[in-house]
Amino acid sequence: ETGVTQTPRHLVMGMTNKKSLKCEQHLGHNAMYWYKQSAKKPLELMFVYSLEERVENNSVPSRFSPECPNSSHLFLHLHTLQPEDSALYLCASSQDRAESSGNTIYFGEGSWLTVV
Amino acid sequence: GQNIDQPTEMTATEGAIVQINCTYQTSGFNGLFWYQQHAGEAPTFLSYNVLDGLEEKGRFSSFLSRSKGYSYLLLKELQMKDSASYLCAVSDSNYQLIWGAGTKLIIKP
Repeated sequence: ETGVTQTPRHLVMGMTNKKSLKCEQHLGHNAMYWYKQSAKKPLELMFVYSLEERVENNSVPSRFSPECPNSSHLFLHLHTLQPEDSALYLCASSQDRAESSGNTIYFGEGSWLTVV
Repeated sequence: GQNIDQPTEMTATEGAIVQINCTYQTSGFNGLFWYQQHAGEAPTFLSYNVLDGLEEKGRFSSFLSRSKGYSYLLLKELQMKDSASYLCAVSDSNYQLIWGAGTKLIIKP
């Protein structure tokens, strides 16, 4: 148990569907992240929120839409996805935005997404 | 460009020692992390190095040479539960984490 909870753990969706991934952190952290993990590829940072404000968007397609209603919750809204978007989506949090020694990133167990 | 290299897969024997290497080329350096990720689970923090040298934590040690852009994770007295992927990540000048693709470690009895 890392203190970061993601739901659902598994999701299968059609290309025309709309779904959302949910993340909740119980660590009192100020920064939250969405990462994409594909087989044999490095983790790809998608979005970063610090104190509920989006600070980074690494050129992610608009079919992925994040939402951070408060410092404990993070959503990733999905619509009209493509089969190549199938991957493990990891939520993470850290005390503050900067990744220094005092800001270890804590990951959730991920949401396995399959787009059919 | 920024790049992290680590072997894709390694195999070792239970009770033995294994060294997983990581080389990096980044714009600036603010520390190097090692994470462990069991199949189907969250990556979990193992170690952080920002100064040259060896950091020991139980059976696991991590080494850093900033001049060589090189780190390794050393696992001693291997146990079956050490079978996992090991992720190397470097914090660059903007404190953005640059990740390697991970090394899958297979432990055989």
